[in-house]
Amino acid sequence: GAGVSQSPRYKVTKRGQDVTLRCDPISSHATLYWYQQALGQGPEFLTYFNYEAQPDKSGLPSDRFSAERPEGSISTLTIQRTEQRDSAMYRCASSKGHSSYEQYFGPGTRLTVT
Amino acid sequence: QQQVKQSPQSLIVQKGGISIINCAYENTAFDYFPWYQQFPGKGPALLIAIRPDVSEKKEGRFTISFNKSAKQFSLHIMDSQPGDSATYFCAASIAGNQFYFGTGTSLTVIP
Repeated sequence: GAGVSQSPRYKVTKRGQDVTLRCDPISSHATLYWYQQALGQGPEFLTYFNYEAQPDKSGLPSDRFSAERPEGSISTLTIQRTEQRDSAMYRCASSKGHSSYEQYFGPGTRLTVT
Repeated sequence: QQQVKQSPQSLIVQKGGISIINCAYENTAFDYFPWYQQFPGKGPALLIAIRPDVSEKKEGRFTISFNKSAKQFSLHIMDSQPGDSATYFCAASIAGNQFYFGTGTSLTVIP
């Protein structure tokens, strides 16, 4: 695709519900990243994928958070039993990978937990 | 803890002036240092990046200065313009895998 896309752009959910966010990276980009960005703060690393492999989950805040990229392209981030503190902008980015580190960010999903 | 420390939090510069934003890090495993520009309602966009084997990189009005021994790097915006008004983030990465961002600097360029 022309750029990184994310859906939905906005999500309002009630505390305790599960949510799934979707990221569609630039086609042929090997590496995909997930970030959480609080208002007025920098993006905070959650996890990344090289194709379908997920070498690092260390940034995921708790075991309620999980991510997948089963075919090495589209990725989903799932938050189970959402809590109000999960409210944030969730951003996805992709890069060519290997020795090319330039990241291209998507527009983000604004999650609000009520 | 914050892997990358950024200052100042906000900056006001006159049109035509020089904007300077500073970042510091501790982890010597970092090998890629990008700067991102973010406008309201948009995602961060890569502005310029440097690797630790050079001390300076210039692209147009934007320059990164890198001091490996001090573990510091900075962004200089020459001839600042009102259109440069945005939030700027420094970041550091290990092999393009994990990326750690600073807390951001809100730049306002006054006409």
